Amino acid sequence: EDQVTQSPEALRLQEGESSSLNCSYTVSGLRGLFWYRQDPGKGPEFLFTLYSAGEEKEKERLKATLTKKESFLHITAPKPEDSATYLCAVSDSWGKLQFGAGTQVVVTP
Amino acid sequence: NAGVTQTPKFQVLKTGQSMTLQCAQDMNHNSMYWYRQDPGMGLRLIYYSASEGTTDKGEVPNGYNVSRLNKREFSLRLESAAPSQTSVYFCASSDSNTDTQYFGPGTRLTVL
Repeated sequence: EDQVTQSPEALRLQEGESSSLNCSYTVSGLRGLFWYRQDPGKGPEFLFTLYSAGEEKEKERLKATLTKKESFLHITAPKPEDSATYLCAVSDSWGKLQFGAGTQVVVTP
Repeated sequence: NAGVTQTPKFQVLKTGQSMTLQCAQDMNHNSMYWYRQDPGMGLRLIYYSASEGTTDKGEVPNGYNVSRLNKREFSLRLESAAPSQTSVYFCASSDSNTDTQYFGPGTRLTVL
């Protein structure tokens, strides 16, 4: 059975304090791994797609990496506006997404 | 280009009442999805439509029905609402080349 586990559940950072979020997965026939950002009361906002082990993608202070069993979302020198819940998802051989429960990140000034 | 739109934004129902959640996308995507999001459980797929004229059950379909009205619109119906259906509902559509899903703003539903 496909499974996506995110850790930690919650993360509190000081502004400028870099950290990483983890997404471990088991899926048959991985087609892609997705990262989304979700602000309170809003729908998930697409950040990255990773397709193969070793792939990396960057956007501003965020960098996503992928191995055969897990993905990391690195937040470098975070700012308060990076506070959000970050969701990880994998697409199966049918193209459907399986989501993790998310990591809630709070960045304090 | 509005992306994915959903109506209503908020709704309160009494147990046993029915309602339809509306979703529309203007990105010319073939696939559309309905999810529910509950605290600590992540997004769970209710129903999806891979193309106009087709619908399939997801992980948690019981108590729901869907209609793919045309390529743009995908509605979710609760025939007899139950308190267990209190949740936030999200519609999404996807680019079939990349599987990337784009989400609407959500409908917050409370069933009393």
